[in-house]
Amino acid sequence: GENVEQHPSTLSVQEGDSAVIKCTYSDSASNYFPWYKQELGKRPQLIIDIRSNVGEKKDQRIAVTLNKTAKHFSLHITETQPEDSAVYFCAASRRAGNMLTFGGGTRLMVKP
Amino acid sequence: EAGVAQSPRYKIIEKRQSVAFWCNPISGHATLYWYQQILGQGPKLLIQFQNNGVVDDSQLPKDRFSAERLKGVDSTLKIQPAKLEDSAVYLCASSLATWRGQETQYFGPGTRLLVL
Repeated sequence: GENVEQHPSTLSVQEGDSAVIKCTYSDSASNYFPWYKQELGKRPQLIIDIRSNVGEKKDQRIAVTLNKTAKHFSLHITETQPEDSAVYFCAASRRAGNMLTFGGGTRLMVKP
Repeated sequence: EAGVAQSPRYKIIEKRQSVAFWCNPISGHATLYWYQQILGQGPKLLIQFQNNGVVDDSQLPKDRFSAERLKGVDSTLKIQPAKLEDSAVYLCASSLATWRGQETQYFGPGTRLLVL
């Protein structure tokens, strides 16, 4: 089955700096890659997703890149703010709507 | 729109007892998912329904876990008997469908289970 590895497990940045979280996946057939943000005690919320026919996608301060050959994808957050502090999860699936395999999560702390 | 609803929010039971969780997905969402999230880990899919049919339950420990979605709307997840290692947050999610453009999964607030 699919295996998703996520790094780093914790990331501390100064407000205004950029943050990068990286994930690798094992199943070359995976073609849908969402990212979720989970604040303490809250539900996971989708922040951005990318499909395998696209190399990069941006939404304001958030961007995701995908390298199908290397089987890795990354989340980039620019101009970080304290409210970006949360746990971020990457995930992969063979097709949209199919079972998601999640990474282990990255705890991002943005220091004011 | 109203989000995914779950109850109860918290449950404490002793090992070998039974417990049930309830989920009401977003109105009109055909696909429903149950995930187990152990503290410090990512969610792990237990079972996926499409309307009232099971799409994937390969990671559901069927000797103790069961789930149903009888009328294709609400769903219940049951654990009988519970073990200490079942302590986790049980998340329900739903999506409009499973094809491209309608696959975003919306999560409920979860049920935090503690087995003593």
